[in-house]
Amino acid sequence: EAQVTQNPRYLITVTGKKLTVTCSQNMNHEYMSWYRQDPGLGLRQIYYSMNVEVTDKGDVPEGYKVSRKEKRNFPLILESPSPNQTSLYFCASSQSTRQGLPLYGYTFGSGTRLTVV
Amino acid sequence: RKEVEQDPGPFNVPEGATVAFNCTYSNSASQSFFWYRQDCRKEPKLLMSVYSSGNEDGRFTAQLNRASQYISLLIRDSKLSDSATYLCVVTLYNFNKFYFGSGTKLNVKP
Repeated sequence: EAQVTQNPRYLITVTGKKLTVTCSQNMNHEYMSWYRQDPGLGLRQIYYSMNVEVTDKGDVPEGYKVSRKEKRNFPLILESPSPNQTSLYFCASSQSTRQGLPLYGYTFGSGTRLTVV
Repeated sequence: RKEVEQDPGPFNVPEGATVAFNCTYSNSASQSFFWYRQDCRKEPKLLMSVYSSGNEDGRFTAQLNRASQYISLLIRDSKLSDSATYLCVVTLYNFNKFYFGSGTKLNVKP
């Protein structure tokens, strides 16, 4: 089954404790992205990647890191989480054009609900 | 100003009703348009792309008006299962961006 898999689904952590949210897709998509969703603010892009070893900042990258060492995986790293990073996080992937641009709509993972206390 | 704006609703309609949502976008260079559906606490799922000529998928019709910079979604014969939040998305390929609206909540009641 074609899918984007995120783990964990739920996470409660303490301020300053490094964490990683994993994301993996099995559709051979070049384009992958991380979003956070907050009430009233909608989905906001954190980082995106057009291909292996190519990543770029989205609209709200502060406090986050990503890496793209393999095509299928795109982990999100919070080096020192803070309470304002409490949110619902989605990983998404999309087929790309030759220029690496997202061609079609996204396929989303099931989401990670993160609480930082 | 937000790139994409939607009426948050909620729209409360009876089963069988026809309901329409609009979504306005600010950048005239926007190139592709989509409607997504999101159920409570779940991931957004692609409902349909929006083409310049308008397109229909069963009870759902999407329209694009480039001159006025809005897209619309029409749902005919509403079902209880249509209750969800509907997100519009516009893309700016030059900037590798998908912009999501905040969503319009639909409640279909018996």
